[in-house]
Order: sequence, then C-alpha cells, then structure tokens
Amino acid sequence: GAGVSQSPSNKVTEKGKDVELRCDPISGHTALYWYRQSLGQGLEFLIYFQGNSAPDKSGLPSDRFSAERTGGSVSTLTIQRTQQEDSAVYLCASSLGTSLYEQYFGPGTRLTVT
Amino acid sequence: AQTVTQSQPEMSVQEAETVTLSCTYDTSENNYYLFWYKQPPSRQMILVIRQEAYKQQNATENRFSVNFQKAAKSFSLKISDSQLGDTAMYFCAFMTNNNNDMRFGAGTRLTVKP
Repeated sequence: GAGVSQSPSNKVTEKGKDVELRCDPISGHTALYWYRQSLGQGLEFLIYFQGNSAPDKSGLPSDRFSAERTGGSVSTLTIQRTQQEDSAVYLCASSLGTSLYEQYFGPGTRLTVT
Repeated sequence: AQTVTQSQPEMSVQEAETVTLSCTYDTSENNYYLFWYKQPPSRQMILVIRQEAYKQQNATENRFSVNFQKAAKSFSLKISDSQLGDTAMYFCAFMTNNNNDMRFGAGTRLTVKP
C-alpha cells in the first residue's frame, strides 16, 4: 500500500512569510509525528498526534510553529513569520501506536528560508 | 534528560567486510526501546532494527545485528558482509513508554567502498 507522503518536496520562502507543510499518513495509522532535521543533525521531535487525544506539542520550538490533524488523518505543520534558522528538512512519520510500533517516515519537505 | 550519543560522525568500510557503529544513551527509565534507522540520500528514513530493553537477547535482522549492553547503556549496530547499498546515514534512536518523542543521535555517515 501507499506509504507516508509529504508535500511539497521542496519549499523556498522569503524570511517573514508563512508556510504550510502537509503530511498524509498511512491509512489506519493513529499516531502521527513531526520532526525537524537540520543540516548534519539528527531528528528533533516537534509534535505528536494520537487518535482524538490532545496533541503533545512539547517539542515545538516557538509559538510560530503549529500543527493540525484533521479527521485523524492528514496533518499540516504551519510555520509563521519564517526565520532563516527554520531552514531544515521537516519529516513526518506515522505508526499504529506508540513506542513498540514502527514509525514509517515520509520523504520530508526541505524548507529553505532566504 | 534523555540523550543519545553517536561518537562516530563518519565511517567507511570495504564491500563485503564488517563494520560496527557505536551508540550510547542516557536514561533513568527501565522500560524503553532502541532503534537503528538508515537514511539514504533519498531522505527516506528506514527502520533497520529494533530492540526492546527488557529483552536480553540481541536483535538480529539478516546482515544487521546489535550488541545491547543495558548496564553500560550501549547499543551498537554491526553490519556484516557490507554492500554498496548500505551507504547512508545511520541514526540511533531511543523511546520510552512514558514519552511520545523519539530521541535521535546526530548520526553516522557510512560509506561502503567497492
């Protein structure tokens, strides 16, 4: 079946603009994660959704970052008033649950803020 | 704080030889899960192998095996009979039942030479 998809693949934006990044998880996966991967670094957890529960936003770096998950499926990560330090690859992953269940990653969105 | 450390930024190995990637972690939890992910140039994160901390037996997946030393908080990955397709970034990751975020190391860039 289809894996996790993300769009756009690449996004270049000017400093100060808002951007929206989209994630389509694997059908039936209740858990969805967003990560940020800066150049040459590991992944940094941003936010986690599980079913209809309130999301875990503990990893969001500032109030310019927000995310939604509509209908328990598609998720959108929004970055307002982008800064150059926001430049990174943003990865989305989904899984059947937490911890023991494998996270399946999308190909990521490379965001460049000029 | 829970941290994951990969002390080898880059490694190389000749095709068909064996290589070991190091990973150490720090946690006060007793129940947790450890993972090795592979990220080729395509950016797609792929799960290589997974270990539950309560299991004493080291996990094995074909040419990939781990050496899990719980007391030493060490979780190394051994790749046997290395293949050109193993060239990628390898990330060690850690997750507990009590947290929703998966903690990643900074990664090791492995190059398999023909």
